[in-house]
Amino acid sequence: AQRVTQPEKLLSVFKGAPVELKCNYSYSGSPELFWYVQYSRQRLQLLLRHISRESIKGFTADLNKGETSFHLKKPFAQEEDSAMYYCAPAAYSGAGSYQLTFGKGTKLSVIP
Amino acid sequence: DARVTQTPRHKVTEMGQEVTMRCQPILGHNTVFWYRQTMMQGLELLAYFRNRAPLDDSGMPKDRFSAEMPDATLATLKIQPSEPRDSAVYFCASGTGLVNYGYTFGSGTRLTVV
Repeated sequence: AQRVTQPEKLLSVFKGAPVELKCNYSYSGSPELFWYVQYSRQRLQLLLRHISRESIKGFTADLNKGETSFHLKKPFAQEEDSAMYYCAPAAYSGAGSYQLTFGKGTKLSVIP
Repeated sequence: DARVTQTPRHKVTEMGQEVTMRCQPILGHNTVFWYRQTMMQGLELLAYFRNRAPLDDSGMPKDRFSAEMPDATLATLKIQPSEPRDSAVYFCASGTGLVNYGYTFGSGTRLTVV
């Protein structure tokens, strides 16, 4: 069965400290991987996509196919990074479309 | 900046009443998803459409929930009759189906059933 696991429900770090939000997935085939962010009571926003190899707001994510992980990292946390972060693999579901499945999310709290 | 529009933003209703939530996907997007977000379950996929055709609604309680796309600019999610356990934030998301672009989410409808 397809599954995505974010083991930490809550992660608290001090401002300026490094951040790593963990994500492990269990999927048949090779899913595409995304991170979404949700600031307090707002819509989910696409943060970054593995396929683009991008760095957004200082965040990067490395795909480790051997460990089936896609951890999100930032070297120096800022207060404005406080939010819910969701790891979301997208698997092909037929008829030319991809289905996003979300992890339970990790709430990042950056302490001033 | 193109946006997915959801209405209403908030809805409070009594148990047993019918609730209809609406979503206007981004123009040109042919894939539409409905998700439900709760503290306990996180984000659950309820249903999704491609080119207005339902592809998967296995995540949706069939006895009370229904999802439709009467045209390319409108998706609806209906609950009849509503129950307190349906209280959640319901998100709509749309995309082109090309995975490298991801999907764009609306602001959600916060439903409270009392």
